[in-house]
Amino acid sequence: DGGITQSPKYLFRKEGQNVTLSCEQNLNHDAMYWYRQDPGQGLRLIYYSQIVNDFQKGDIAEGYSVSREKKESFPLTVTSAQKNPTAFYLCASKGRSNEKLFFGSGTQLSVL
Amino acid sequence: QQQVKQSPQSLIVQKGGISIINCAYENTAFDYFPWYQQFPGKGPALLIAIRPDVSEKKEGRFTISFNKSAKQFSLHIMDSQPGDSATYFCAASTKADYKLSFGAGTTVTVRA
Repeated sequence: DGGITQSPKYLFRKEGQNVTLSCEQNLNHDAMYWYRQDPGQGLRLIYYSQIVNDFQKGDIAEGYSVSREKKESFPLTVTSAQKNPTAFYLCASKGRSNEKLFFGSGTQLSVL
Repeated sequence: QQQVKQSPQSLIVQKGGISIINCAYENTAFDYFPWYQQFPGKGPALLIAIRPDVSEKKEGRFTISFNKSAKQFSLHIMDSQPGDSATYFCAASTKADYKLSFGAGTTVTVRA
């Protein structure tokens, strides 16, 4: 069953803590993306990667970091520098020959 | 600064009615305009998309109307059903990088 798997579904962060959100895809897609969703603000691009071992900042990269060591995986770390991390985080991927973006089911991050 | 402006923020329609959501953009380099549908707690899924070389595209009860000179496009949901109750996002991207810029979203509620 092909798709994008995000985990965990819910995550809680303590003050000063770094947390990592997982994103795995088995669609053999080259490009992967991380979006942040806040109520009333749509989706904002955090980071994206078009190929393994390469990634670019999106519109709101401050306080976040990523890695792309494998084609299937694109984890996002929310660092302690991100002062307002509470949001719904969405991972997406896209094949080379297609514009269609496939999304995972998201991770809701909250601050304790 | 949001590159795609979407309205209204929310709308309520009776079953069988027509839902209309509007989007406007400034970047004339945009050449791909998709609409995504999102149910609560889930990731968005592609509903329908259009390129600027056509003025209208229809898929079932969903129609995109595109006005290149006005830099506007809209989604019409005909014969709205309770199962259409969801949040709808318009988006746009350029051929150069396929990074989608999303509107703020419209929550549609269809009353039975």
